[in-house]
Amino acid sequence: NAGVMQNPRHLVRRRGQEARLRCSPMKGHSHVYWYRQLPEEGLKFMVYLQKENIIDESGMPKERFSAEFPKEGPSILRIQQVVRGDSAAYFCASSPPGQGLRVDGYTFGSGTRLTVV
Amino acid sequence: AQKVTQAQTEISVVEKEDVTLDCVYETRDTTYYLFWYKQPPSGELVFLIRRNSFDEQNEISGRYSWNFQKSTSSFNFTITASQVVDSAVYFCALSEAEDDSGTYKYIFGTGTRLKVLA
Repeated sequence: NAGVMQNPRHLVRRRGQEARLRCSPMKGHSHVYWYRQLPEEGLKFMVYLQKENIIDESGMPKERFSAEFPKEGPSILRIQQVVRGDSAAYFCASSPPGQGLRVDGYTFGSGTRLTVV
Repeated sequence: AQKVTQAQTEISVVEKEDVTLDCVYETRDTTYYLFWYKQPPSGELVFLIRRNSFDEQNEISGRYSWNFQKSTSSFNFTITASQVVDSAVYFCALSEAEDDSGTYKYIFGTGTRLKVLA
């Protein structure tokens, strides 16, 4: 049973390019969370999605960032026109429906390290 | 408002020493959950423990132990007889019970970098 899969593991983009980060939740998990970890900081919540729905995007920057979780396929975090300040590790987590914290919290992926040059 | 404070930015110990990582949290909810995660140099997050607010029993798992004290809003983590492989950044996190949107957000502390020297 594969865990949460994130790819790519490392991504380098030039300023102004687009970055697309993918997250495949664990089998049977329909809830996906994205977190961002800036250098030397803790993780900060960005967005919570269920299939085809954004439930809570209160942590998403207002511009250039978007997220989706289509009916088929992985969840995508998209960053348009990247800037140096977007350089960070982006973690995805998944949980099964209706359980959330009744299990051992989320299952986190290994993260995608975005470097903007 | 929720907040997690890990006041120790970095700790260095010599192998076999015991070390305690502090975590202080703030929340107005009576139902909440506390977590510890380990982030080794490879960067992934490794789940260590979850504790709910109604369970104040301390827990021991091998060389790891956790001391949860609601009276001081603390959830400290002790590694006994530390080893070089324990070197990592350790994060404490808080999550309140499901909010109106059904979101289980985690609030992370800024982490404590533990260096265990041989």
